[in-house]
Amino acid sequence: DAKTTQPNSMESNEEEPVHLPCNHSTISGTDYIHWYRQLPSQGPEYVIHGLTSNVNNRMASLAIAEDRKSSTLILHRATLRDAAVYYCILRVTGTASKLTFGTGTRLQVTL
Amino acid sequence: NAGVTQTPKFRVLKTGQSMTLLCAQDMNHEYMYWYRQDPGMGLRLIHYSVGEGTTAKGEVPDGYNVSRLKKQNFLLGLESAAPSQTSVYFCASSLAATSGANVLTFGAGSRLTVL
Repeated sequence: DAKTTQPNSMESNEEEPVHLPCNHSTISGTDYIHWYRQLPSQGPEYVIHGLTSNVNNRMASLAIAEDRKSSTLILHRATLRDAAVYYCILRVTGTASKLTFGTGTRLQVTL
Repeated sequence: NAGVTQTPKFRVLKTGQSMTLLCAQDMNHEYMYWYRQDPGMGLRLIHYSVGEGTTAKGEVPDGYNVSRLKKQNFLLGLESAAPSQTSVYFCASSLAATSGANVLTFGAGSRLTVL
């Protein structure tokens, strides 16, 4: 399975934008890039996903490099409630929709 | 709309005891999964099911059994619990699609301690 690399932790001030990077240099042409986050003591929740084009939804934006070997999750205005572990995952087309989680990036948000 | 519900939320077992974790989803999802998460680590897939009556092994299946007798339920069993199975267990479900765009919905987790 193609792997992803994320920083172990990042910090942000509240109400500032946050850019969470992810490297996936071995991504194949049909792999989707998914982001999930896990708030303290909760199950993971879906944030956003994309294939080639940048994507926006109510939670975040996903910027995908032209060569698809990296991507960035953008939280436009971080709040204390965004403090969580963020997982960047490659979703392989043609499998039974399994997700392979790494250790993610722990985002701390301070006042 | 409850989504994915796991029971129990907490359980303490003694080594050698057996137990079953229940996962129920009300979204008519075809696929269901069981993951475990150890402290400071990401989730690891134990078993999964692509439909009623089917199950398959994931990354760490040893010591666990599963059953999918009804579409909405996915049971995870520990026949003889060991301290190494102390973990938080998460169930998830998704629509039936092999597209990489398919997303998973997770339950809140079941915290299991084996003494």
